[in-house]
Amino acid sequence: KAGVTQTPRYLIKTRGQQVTLSCSPISGHRSVSWYQQTPGQGLQFLFEYFSETQRNKGNFPGRFSGRQFSNSRSEMNVSTLELGDSALYLCASSLNMEGEKLFFGSGTQLSVL
Amino acid sequence: EDQVTQSPEALRLQEGESSSLNCSYTVSGLRGLFWYRQDPGKGPEFLFTLYSAGEEKEKERLKATLTKKESFLHITAPKPEDSATYLCAVVNSGYALNFGKGTSLLVTP
Repeated sequence: KAGVTQTPRYLIKTRGQQVTLSCSPISGHRSVSWYQQTPGQGLQFLFEYFSETQRNKGNFPGRFSGRQFSNSRSEMNVSTLELGDSALYLCASSLNMEGEKLFFGSGTQLSVL
Repeated sequence: EDQVTQSPEALRLQEGESSSLNCSYTVSGLRGLFWYRQDPGKGPEFLFTLYSAGEEKEKERLKATLTKKESFLHITAPKPEDSATYLCAVVNSGYALNFGKGTSLLVTP
């Protein structure tokens, strides 16, 4: 069974640009979550989608957005990039139960110059 | 507000030297406490879920326990391949995990 797939693996952007990251969940998983990981703040929750609907959102500015497609694949977008957006962005999937374990992808390492 | 604090931040052990990692939490209505392992350049890998005080789970050299205020990850006779960052997370309601900052474990031969 294939795991969670994130593309691209690495990305370099400059301030002010926008970026789109992609996530394919494990087959059959309908919930997709996104997390930002930095050395200073650790892992922080961005948002979670189920059946194309955002169910939960973390404390991030509106520049961070996401969506989920009918096949459960998800994308997140960051507009007007800032230096502080440099981080590892992790996608995780699960079936749907609250309190259920998450399966993480290897992440997209974003560097903003 | 939910808080998860892990200690120590870093731990160096000799191979075979057992120890414990701590995860202290404050959350209104715990729905689950999770332990994950993360290797460099990879996403977190699930280890255990604990739901109620007194619960214990084991996997190879690892054993996780839970009280009403904290969880411990006991590592018995660790090997170099156990070197990784160990992350603790809680979920109260909803579908978001609230992570601690992790304990970086190094096991030397």
